[in-house]
Amino acid sequence: GQNIDQPTEMTATEGAIVQINCTYQTSGFNGLFWYQQHAGEAPTFLSYNVLDGLEEKGRFSSFLSRSKGYSYLLLKELQMKDSASYLCAVRPYGGRRALTFGSGTRLQVQP
Amino acid sequence: EAGVTQFPSHSVIEKGQTVTLRCDPISGHDNLYWYRRVMGKEIKFLLHFVKESKQDESGMPNNRFLAERTGGTYSTLKVQPAELEDSGVYFCASSQETRTYEQYFGPGTRLTVT
Repeated sequence: GQNIDQPTEMTATEGAIVQINCTYQTSGFNGLFWYQQHAGEAPTFLSYNVLDGLEEKGRFSSFLSRSKGYSYLLLKELQMKDSASYLCAVRPYGGRRALTFGSGTRLQVQP
Repeated sequence: EAGVTQFPSHSVIEKGQTVTLRCDPISGHDNLYWYRRVMGKEIKFLLHFVKESKQDESGMPNNRFLAERTGGTYSTLKVQPAELEDSGVYFCASSQETRTYEQYFGPGTRLTVT
């Protein structure tokens, strides 16, 4: 079976750093994705991890530990426009490309 | 480069009626996916096309749902007859044949069945 957990809501202050965690238990693993989704809009791709370690892309970084079934998304220098839902998704092993999503973490950035 | 587009953006139909959703992927993307999100739940996979062929339809809930991708370009998802539990947001995504196969999503079609 597939199970992906992430916190439902988080609040942070403009200019601060926030870490959004994601744990997964899936029948296979071939990569973990983070997406950002503003209300009423399309999910947009943020990052991809398939090997253990940290991937940095500007203000956003994503970390993966396959042995622990754990990932986090780190957002630095938070801006008001970062208020959105952040979706963790896993691609299973094998030829399947289907993504299994968590329920998403709604981040509210306050002034 | 144009992104993934979906039509309509909203649809309100009565139980028992038929609705057809359309998705236009990014030009050149052979892979096309349908997902849906019902109220309060996570986004769930429905099916995956590679060009015009159904590669994986393991997420299709039942035979009231029919997806097509004639010619390997745009895709349609028909729900016939619609039931109340079909209400939700239907997302389409597309991807290229790359190392990561990251999927680019459309804005979704919000379907309300009354």
